[in-house]
Amino acid sequence: GAVVSQHPSRVICKSGTSVKIECRSLDFQATTMFWYRQFPKQSLMLMATSNEGSKATYEQGVEKDKFLINHASLTLSTLTVTSAHPEDSSFYICSAKNRVNEKLFFGSGTQLSVL
Amino acid sequence: EDQVTQSPEALRLQEGESSSLNCSYTVSGLRGLFWYRQDPGKGPEFLFTLYSAGEEKEKERLKATLTKKESFLHITAPKPEDSATYLCAVSGYSTLTFGKGTMLLVSP
Repeated sequence: GAVVSQHPSRVICKSGTSVKIECRSLDFQATTMFWYRQFPKQSLMLMATSNEGSKATYEQGVEKDKFLINHASLTLSTLTVTSAHPEDSSFYICSAKNRVNEKLFFGSGTQLSVL
Repeated sequence: EDQVTQSPEALRLQEGESSSLNCSYTVSGLRGLFWYRQDPGKGPEFLFTLYSAGEEKEKERLKATLTKKESFLHITAPKPEDSATYLCAVSGYSTLTFGKGTMLLVSP
């Protein structure tokens, strides 16, 4: 079946540093990828939608200068949390839409802890 | 604004005790309703997509149904390994909106 690889699965960093999270569709091409964050016992909240080769569309309240999204190819999107602070600690999940059948597949998530 | 409400928030069942989870939604132009299973600390795992009212899909002990206002995920004779959070999401014209999920615990 279709696989989305998200890396790293867990990262601990110091306040003020930047963290990059990668999301790859391994066996299909994804024209659109989505980035979500999930607080404990809460629903997934869409942060941004990225389309290959164009700028990401951010949801209201999401700082685009803080959460940099790059979708450079049909199989790779990255989310960079710049100058991370403890309040950025969360579970980040990506999903990729298969360009052929439009099914949505999720990565396994990244647990970010900012000290 | 698209909205998804799942109930109950938590459900505790005995092994073999069948039940249903509810997902009520309002959306502009439904393009699909999705059910996912999420285990703690992991990303959601796709279960079903439903596209139109009256549609039903089955997978092992799970059966999903769809009406114009809600979807049900029926669990028949659940086992402890079915314990997880079940998420419902709807796709409208522009985005995907998730419910908060139902946390299911099946006791042996």
